[in-house]
Amino acid sequence: GAVVSQHPSWVICKSGTSVKIECRSLDFQATTMFWYRQFPKQSLMLMATSNEGSKATYEQGVEKDKFLINHASLTLSTLTVTSAHPEDSSFYICSARGRGMSYNEQFFGPGTRLTVL
Amino acid sequence: GENVEQHPSTLSVQEGDSAVIKCTYSDSASNYFPWYKQELGKRPQLIIDIRSNVGEKKDQRIAVTLNKTAKHFSLHITETQPEDSAVYFCAANGGRGADGLTFGKGTHLIIQP
Repeated sequence: GAVVSQHPSWVICKSGTSVKIECRSLDFQATTMFWYRQFPKQSLMLMATSNEGSKATYEQGVEKDKFLINHASLTLSTLTVTSAHPEDSSFYICSARGRGMSYNEQFFGPGTRLTVL
Repeated sequence: GENVEQHPSTLSVQEGDSAVIKCTYSDSASNYFPWYKQELGKRPQLIIDIRSNVGEKKDQRIAVTLNKTAKHFSLHITETQPEDSAVYFCAANGGRGADGLTFGKGTHLIIQP
């Protein structure tokens, strides 16, 4: 149990276009979802936290107008990278925490590799 | 906000020996400290975690210790095996209500056969 999926697993796009990444909890209701970014050979950095039905909370330095997060249901959160540029190329990983689960534990998706040309 | 320091950045040990990775955190409100193993291009995999009301936790060859006073926690792997080779990350939740994690910079563990 506690499976989180992401789609797509990788995407290549041209500079200036927008890319949407989906994060789904497959067998539990995700009351909270987190979005992280990981540059090559670096650590994971928390970008934002989203609770179902409310606006996302962004970490300092993360542009909310560039990284649009929607958590419209208890099983789906989306991250849209708007007007993507090469410096946005990274590994984007979501995680989710569910209702009734161990309070702290969060389950990670497999990640989405974004390459902006 | 929370700041997590992790050392060493690279650790090479002989197969069968023990490996220790250390982390410090800054936010005294942090109460959850997970450790993750990540292989190249894969998702982080939780290997063990500890909460602030416990000083030590063990799961077979893996153990974690926590010193709240000094704000540091450590990962201990005994009888290391080649499949233990990976990047290991420590993290802390900074006591935030939503529990978003702050990660250390990672340790590349290399097990020499």
